[in-house]
Formats: sequence, structure tokens, C-alpha cells
Amino acid sequence: DIQMTQSPSSLSASVGDRVTITCRASQTISSYLNWYQQRPGKAPKLLIYAASSLQSGVPSRFSGSGSGTDFTLTISSLQPEDFATYFCQQSYSTPYTFGQGTKLEIK
Amino acid sequence: QLQLQESGPGLVKPSETLSLTCTVSGGSISSSSYYWDWIRQPPGKGLEWIGSIYYSGSTHYNPSLTSRVTISVDTPMNQFSLKLSSVTAADTAVYYCARRALVVAATGYYYYMDVWGKGTAVTVSS
Repeated sequence: DIQMTQSPSSLSASVGDRVTITCRASQTISSYLNWYQQRPGKAPKLLIYAASSLQSGVPSRFSGSGSGTDFTLTISSLQPEDFATYFCQQSYSTPYTFGQGTKLEIK
Repeated sequence: QLQLQESGPGLVKPSETLSLTCTVSGGSISSSSYYWDWIRQPPGKGLEWIGSIYYSGSTHYNPSLTSRVTISVDTPMNQFSLKLSSVTAADTAVYYCARRALVVAATGYYYYMDVWGKGTAVTVSS
């Protein structure tokens, strides 16, 4: 299985901050990387697919980059509704695997 | 707008079989562009992909669960189902069903889970 490792595991930030979350794959996965946001008690929500493509309806302050083994999710200016947990997921091969999550908290 | 809704018992006894159904509304499960997945999340933990099914009945399972998992589809009812046998406390989780979409680009075939059910909590306990 491909292991996905996110860093940091948790992050404190303020409204308006620029935030970057990193995801590393245990082997090369080209651009087969998705990002999801999960608010407490809710299902995950797709933000970014194919490493850098913004899902329809997702605010443009979210962006993704990377290829190969190293990927980043950036939120350009944090809004109150962005405080949540973020997961990366590889779609290169089954079994599809997720990172352990990055919890973004209000400072 | 496509919606997915999980249903099934919230409590299952150890060694028994967990059975869940996902009902698809606002669209057809028989669309050739999509797969239908099950994912679970133990309390306070991360996400685990369980497996998937295509409307034709073709399945893929997580090797860590393949000996205990069966996913099936009922196209007339627009539903797909999960059965997990010989459950233990480690199978306690929120179970989600999701639609996995495919986009074909010059650089490859990209899959992503774009529509999720709200999830259903299942506890394994006697």
C-alpha cells in the first residue's frame, strides 16, 4: 500500500493567515492526489483533485500543487469556516489511502 | 442534485455481519462515469477505503478487508450495499458511501470522491 504522510498533524492559525499543509507519498504517484476538508461530525468534502484542480464551487483561496511524492494544500487567507481537518488521498493505485489528517485550529 | 444516504443497524454484535445500504437519489447508479465506494472512519481517527463497485457489478476491495467484505449493487433500486463479516470492536466506525468520479486528461485518468453520504455510525458491541 502507498503510505500518505501529512504535516503538520495540527496547526493553529488566525483568520486572514496564509496556511500550507504538506502531504508526502511513500512512492511516486504523479499527480494522483486529492484533498478533502472535514468539519466535525460531517462527511469529507472534496476541495482539490489531480493535485491542483479546484473542485467546482470551492473558493479560490484554496489551491494545490505538487507532483511525484510531495504535495501542498494552501489556503491563501483563512476564513472562519476553514477551521477543520484536511486529508490528502492518493488515487494512483488501490487500495486508495489517505493521510492521517491535519487539524487546523483557531489561534 | 445527487445525494447519497447510508442506512443500516447502528449496533452489531461481535462475530456477526455488518450490513449497510447506500441509496442514490437525484441521479442514476448506472452511469458509466462513476464508481461507488465505501469508506470508514473509526472514532477520532483517519479514513480507510473499504472498496468499490461499478454498476456492472465489478468490484475492488482493500486487501486488508477482502476476506470479510462483499459489496453489491442493485441497479433497479439505485442502491449499493456493504457486508462485512466476523466483525470485532475494531470495525466500530462511521461508514460513508461515496461516488467516485473519473476525469480523463491528457496526463492521465484521475479519480476522486466528489459526493459523499452523511455517514452512519456503527458500533460493534455485545
